[in-house]
Amino acid sequence: DAGITQSPRYKITETGRQVTLMCHQTWSHSYMFWYRQDLGHGLRLIYYSAAADITDKGEVPDGYVVSRSKTENFPLTLESATRSQTSVYFCASSGGQGLGQYFGPGTRLTVT
Amino acid sequence: GQQVMQIPQYQHVQEGEDFTTYCNSSTTLSNIQWYKQRPGGHPVFLIQLVKSGEVKKQKRLTFQFGEAKKNSSLHITATQTTDVGTYFCATLRTGANNLFFGTGTRLTVIP
Repeated sequence: DAGITQSPRYKITETGRQVTLMCHQTWSHSYMFWYRQDLGHGLRLIYYSAAADITDKGEVPDGYVVSRSKTENFPLTLESATRSQTSVYFCASSGGQGLGQYFGPGTRLTVT
Repeated sequence: GQQVMQIPQYQHVQEGEDFTTYCNSSTTLSNIQWYKQRPGGHPVFLIQLVKSGEVKKQKRLTFQFGEAKKNSSLHITATQTTDVGTYFCATLRTGANNLFFGTGTRLTVIP
């Protein structure tokens, strides 16, 4: 049972490049979420999705794009990476509104 | 928007001592969830509380939801080194179907 996986686990990229972080879950959870975690800011929601083809902005969506063509996948794209997007990115899923969320192992992204 | 404040930000305890972290809000909360994140790891869902005055236990961990549903606490009895990590509370945002996370309490247990 793989649960929820993220790839890559570590990524170094240059300013201005496009980067896509992948998230895959095997539970058929309807909800999926992307967070970033930075020192002093805790977990901040970037985007979330209530179902396939339904996405919505979180607290800090600027500079990010998401899509959800299939229930199990929720990729996050940084269209033109900036140094301020250096962070640890967590994907999570949930079986329903207000239920507990299950997090992937995270992707540590460094933008140079 | 919905916000929760967590205190303390950091806590160092001797192994065997108790530990409590608090999650407070100025408005009534619909629910509270608690998560634990080990150093270098990812947040792990521990529990959800939804009822006024609710108390739930998981071994040495006791979770409480205040009578007014404006605060919550997580108490660990007789801490162990395996309890090290950051404990987050989270609540459902008003009118939305996503969570707002507190800034967390980082627990260090000194052997």
